[in-house]
Amino acid sequence: GAVVSQHPSWVICKSGTSVKIECRSLDFQATTMFWYRQFPKQSLMLMATSNEGSKATYEQGVEKDKFLINHASLTLSTLTVTSAHPEDSSFYICSALSTRMNTEAFFGQGTRLTVV
Amino acid sequence: AQTVTQSQPEMSVQEAETVTLSCTYDTSENNYYLFWYKQPPSRQMILVIRQEAYKQQNATENRFSVNFQKAAKSFSLKISDSQLGDTAMYFCAFMIYNNDMRFGAGTRLTVKP
Repeated sequence: GAVVSQHPSWVICKSGTSVKIECRSLDFQATTMFWYRQFPKQSLMLMATSNEGSKATYEQGVEKDKFLINHASLTLSTLTVTSAHPEDSSFYICSALSTRMNTEAFFGQGTRLTVV
Repeated sequence: AQTVTQSQPEMSVQEAETVTLSCTYDTSENNYYLFWYKQPPSRQMILVIRQEAYKQQNATENRFSVNFQKAAKSFSLKISDSQLGDTAMYFCAFMIYNNDMRFGAGTRLTVKP
């Protein structure tokens, strides 16, 4: 159990376009999901916390107008990178807290975004 | 704010030997959770072991065990009988109940044949 599916696993887009990444909890409900960004050979940096039915909470330095987060249901959160630029190229990972057992986060497989 | 420190950017160990990865953290909270995650080249985060701060007994999972020193805010991971498949990045992580998870910088472990 406790599977989180992230889609797509990789995407290439042109500068100026927008890209949507989905994070789904397949077999549990998640009131809270987290979005992380990971640069090569670096750690996971928290971007924002997504709560079902409310606005996301962004970490300092993360542009909320650029990284739009929507958590419309207990099983789905989306991250949209708007007007993407090459510097947005990175590995994005989501994780989800189960409503039943919110003492552990379950991770998606990540999305590699390349902006050309 | 909670911080997690991993002071060993890279480690190596011979196959079948034992290696210990270090992690320290800083928090004013009393109840929290600590984790070690493995990230292989696929970049999927794989939970290795977890520890509840209220438990004094150190967690163990087969070849993996931790040395949890709450007063010293230390949480090291010991890997026994290292295998080639253990080669990966290892991240120490800290979480408060119902809150986000914070990660250390990671330790790149290489198991040599």
